[in-house]
Amino acid sequence: NAGVTQTPKFQVLKTGQSMTLQCAQDMNHNSMYWYRQDPGMGLRLIYYSASEGTTDKGEVPNGYNVSRLNKREFSLRLESAAPSQTSVYFCASRIRGRTEAFFGQGTRLTVV
Amino acid sequence: GESVGLHLPTLSVQEGDNSIINCAYSNSASDYFIWYKQESGKGPQFIIDIRSNMDKRQGQRVTVLLNKTVKHLSLQIAATQPGDSAVYFCAEKWNYGQNFVFGPGTRLSVLP
Repeated sequence: NAGVTQTPKFQVLKTGQSMTLQCAQDMNHNSMYWYRQDPGMGLRLIYYSASEGTTDKGEVPNGYNVSRLNKREFSLRLESAAPSQTSVYFCASRIRGRTEAFFGQGTRLTVV
Repeated sequence: GESVGLHLPTLSVQEGDNSIINCAYSNSASDYFIWYKQESGKGPQFIIDIRSNMDKRQGQRVTVLLNKTVKHLSLQIAATQPGDSAVYFCAEKWNYGQNFVFGPGTRLSVLP
């Protein structure tokens, strides 16, 4: 039982490059989330998907797009990376109706 | 906007002592409050939650207290162990919402 799996674990991009962060969960959870974590700050919500087929903006959506490919997978895309997007990105999932969210190990992204 | 915050950014305790981590919130419409633990290099891990109509909830070695009068939340860890060293986040779930707002975190260091 892998839980929430994120790929890649580390990535370095040049300004203007694009990339997609992948997330998959095997717990049959309805809701999935993408957060970013910056030094000394808590997690800030980028986008979330309450169920398959729906996505909604969170607190800091600018510069990102998401796709809920199916119930298992929720990807985050940076179309044109900027240094301000240097951060650790976490994907999470939970069952609707419960508060416990399960997080992946994170993707450490550096934009130079 | 309304947010969750913490009184102390760092906390050092002796092994075996009790730890108290505090959190202030400002959104009266939150229906759940949650504590997460994040160890270095890992994603956050759920510890315990408390519903807004409760004032105390106990788990294994942990107790969460909620004081709605002063909008204050605390996490008490009994007999703190080296394995408790981590960053602790409080989060709140807004009523009928699907997402969570995280505080900036408190680093707990357990001294031998």
